[in-house]
Amino acid sequence: NAGVTQTPKFRVLKTGQSMTLLCAQDMNHEYMYWYRQDPGMGLRLIHYSVGEGTTAKGEVPDGYNVSRLKKQNFLLGLESAAPSQTSVYFCASSWSAGSREQYFGPGTRLTVT
Amino acid sequence: GQSLEQPSEVTAVEGAIVQINCTYQTSGFYGLSWYQQHDGGAPTFLSYNALDGLEETGRFSSFLSRSDSYGYLLLQELQMKDSASYFCAVNTGFQKLVFGTGTRLLVSP
Repeated sequence: NAGVTQTPKFRVLKTGQSMTLLCAQDMNHEYMYWYRQDPGMGLRLIHYSVGEGTTAKGEVPDGYNVSRLKKQNFLLGLESAAPSQTSVYFCASSWSAGSREQYFGPGTRLTVT
Repeated sequence: GQSLEQPSEVTAVEGAIVQINCTYQTSGFYGLSWYQQHDGGAPTFLSYNALDGLEETGRFSSFLSRSDSYGYLLLQELQMKDSASYFCAVNTGFQKLVFGTGTRLLVSP
């Protein structure tokens, strides 16, 4: 089992460029999440999904879009990157709302210049 | 608004016991989680309290008092590898977590 994987690991974008971050999990989890972590800060929830075909906004959704076309994948898109989106992005998954634990991917370090 | 407060840094020596406190104010509460994160790494789950009381998992214990909006993580028999950041996080429903800003634990020989 690979657990939760994220692609890419690192990326540098210029302001205004777009990109998609891919999260994949092989644990058959229903729930998936995207967080961002800025230096010296805790994680903040961007968007989440409670099942295939569903998405919902978290704390800081502006400037991001997501899709969950397949149960195992959760994509995070930046349509027009801004320097304020420079951050480390973590994907996580869990069995259900009743789960005690979220499983995190290794993160994607994104720099927007 | 939603806020979680925890100390920014704690230092201790190997073999000691350390307690990291967390107070929270959130809209919706289903439980309090604790995660560990080493520099450059991903958060990893340590414990979860949905009800008042103490949960013990090996060297780590976690406590919750819902009436006081307060919890703590207790780390015993500290080891060098415990040097990391520790985050409390409130489950506000659907396992949507609101994280604190983290406590950096430095363990010295």
